[in-house]
Amino acid sequence: EADIYQTPRYLVIGTGKKITLECSQTMGHDKMYWYQQDPGMELHLIHYSYGVNSTEKGDLSSESTVSRIRTEHFPLTLESARPSHTSQYLCASSGTGIFDTGELFFGEGSRLTVL
Amino acid sequence: GENVEQHPSTLSVQEGDSAVIKCTYSDSASNYFPWYKQELGKGPQLIIDIRSNVGEKKDQRIAVTLNKTAKHFSLHITETQPEDSAVYFCAASRRAAGNKLTFGGGTRVLVKP
Repeated sequence: EADIYQTPRYLVIGTGKKITLECSQTMGHDKMYWYQQDPGMELHLIHYSYGVNSTEKGDLSSESTVSRIRTEHFPLTLESARPSHTSQYLCASSGTGIFDTGELFFGEGSRLTVL
Repeated sequence: GENVEQHPSTLSVQEGDSAVIKCTYSDSASNYFPWYKQELGKGPQLIIDIRSNVGEKKDQRIAVTLNKTAKHFSLHITETQPEDSAVYFCAASRRAAGNKLTFGGGTRVLVKP
């Protein structure tokens, strides 16, 4: 069973607030990802990291930012939330080297609502 | 970049019947094709995958087929059960691209008892 955790699971905030979505994994995976899932179900890659101090933007442009200071931790931050940021955010990780099967392990998601 | 199309977007089947979901991809360099199942309130979970050097793979009631020439792959679920009700996603990637998956739009499967 995957050990990847996201907090908070649900967050309702007002426009203009700064928020950070936390993601931690205990599997020692080097690769981590953030996907945004819209109400229509589609999953879009917004950020990824291949290791400490490595972050890249994904295929879908996002106003959020990420950091990777520790292997196990990959937080996502929105400096000033807007209603258009309302969505579900899914964090994932995958193994490295001989443990890299290609499988992504997902957290349970953080559902953000901006009023 | 890669583009993955998935059909149908919703699928309703009677318990015991088979379900088939189809995907097409655009990048001929893609060589890894996983399928994920997402249950309500949870993150997607890998259920089966296939690599480009294989045409078919089976695991109990689920099977995946790949046609590299036509650039399409399909998921087959036989003898469906109510617990198969979920959203299913196909995806594609180049394994050398760091497991950056491009997902299809998803299929919501409902198995009616």
